[in-house]
This record gives sequence, structure tokens and C-alpha cells, in this order.
Amino acid sequence: QVQLQESGPGLVKPSETLSLTCTVSGYSISSGYYWGWIRQPPGKGLEWIGSIYHSGSTYYNPSLKSRVTISVDTSKNQFSLKLSSVTAADTAVYYCARWVVVAATFDYWGQGTLVTVSS
Amino acid sequence: QSVLTQPPSASGTPGQRVTISCSGSSSNIGSNTVNWYQQLPGTAPKLLIYSNNQRPSGVPDRFSGSKSGTSASLAISGLQSEDEADYYCAAWDDSLNGPYVVFGGGTKLTVL
Repeated sequence: QVQLQESGPGLVKPSETLSLTCTVSGYSISSGYYWGWIRQPPGKGLEWIGSIYHSGSTYYNPSLKSRVTISVDTSKNQFSLKLSSVTAADTAVYYCARWVVVAATFDYWGQGTLVTVSS
Repeated sequence: QSVLTQPPSASGTPGQRVTISCSGSSSNIGSNTVNWYQQLPGTAPKLLIYSNNQRPSGVPDRFSGSKSGTSASLAISGLQSEDEADYYCAAWDDSLNGPYVVFGGGTKLTVL
């Protein structure tokens, strides 16, 4: 059973960098699939941030690309998100998920973690 | 403003059949497959339908998906109280800035 768990600070100050890690269990990242990040502002819809393959190949949402870096650590079976120059608009629940790239399908999701941007 | 357009709300009574629409364009639904996600209150989204009309293991056959042109639909038959949730459609978008995943704004389904 594939399981994902997000971790990281729940509070980030404006203009700083948001950093989150997703730990995968029950499946080796090196075995395949892309792995992605999706966010959901409170009371709003879903927004895809980007995805990464174990080789380091990435896809990013064009609207966030200039501020986003997604990396992978296969030795720890983890992948990470960094979002720079955050504002209150980046306050959201951040989810990590396994991504079937051909159909752009997220088939396994983490439970999500709320990140609030506030001074 | 979401790239894919969904009605903000839908409703039905137990046992009824309900459909939720998802409208896009030639760069997304018109040229790529559609996925649907169900988000129960306070939980993470769950994959409900993939590749237009395929159900993952464990999803009841009461849920079905279809696509025609630049629109897609999710149908729920034999509506049950536990179906009350938010539903999102999603697809690849072949934009000029590079392909990316787009979501609909979500439809809140109320079981009356």
C-alpha cells in the first residue's frame, strides 16, 4: 500500500521560502512514476504546483515556475518542495501525490499539511 | 478563475442520478483525457475516474465518466448520503508555456 506523508513548518513569514518534504512508504520512488505537489487555499479549489521523476526530470505549473523548485532524494525515498518569496496568497493545504504522467492522474495522495503565510 | 469550468453546486435526493459537467477547450479536454476526484469534507482528494471513464479498484460502478469534444461529465447513479462531497475534474493542458495540469473549480454535491 503506497502511503505519502507531508512534513514541514506550518507557519512561514512573507517573502521567505516555504519548504516541505513528502516521505513515501510502501513503494520505492526509484521504481518509477512521477511524484507531485498540489495545493488548496482554504475554501478554494485545487492547483497543481509541479511534479518530479526519480531521475530529476520535472514539470512545473507555468504560473509558479519562477518560484518553485522540486527535488528528489531517492536514498530517503522522499521528494521536496521549495516555494520562494511567499505571500498570503500562498496560504494553503499542500498535498503530495503519486502521478501517472501519461494521463496526468494523481492516484495516491498524502493527507495534506496546512501552511500559513503570516508575519 | 479555473481553466476548466464546473458548476459550483449540484444536488439530488437519495437514489437519484446526478451529473456534473466539466467544460474546457481544445488545448485540454479536447486533446487529453479527463480525471475526476472526490474530496470528502476535511480529507484529501481521492481518484474517482481516470482516462475519461476508468474506475480505480474499489470505486463503485455507480460512478461513471464520459467525454465528448471539449466537455466531460461525471455521473453518479443511486445517490447515497456518503456521496456528499466536492468533485473536481482535471486534465493536461497543452499550453504554449509548456504542458501542465489544470483543475476545474470544483462542484459541491449536496444530498438532500
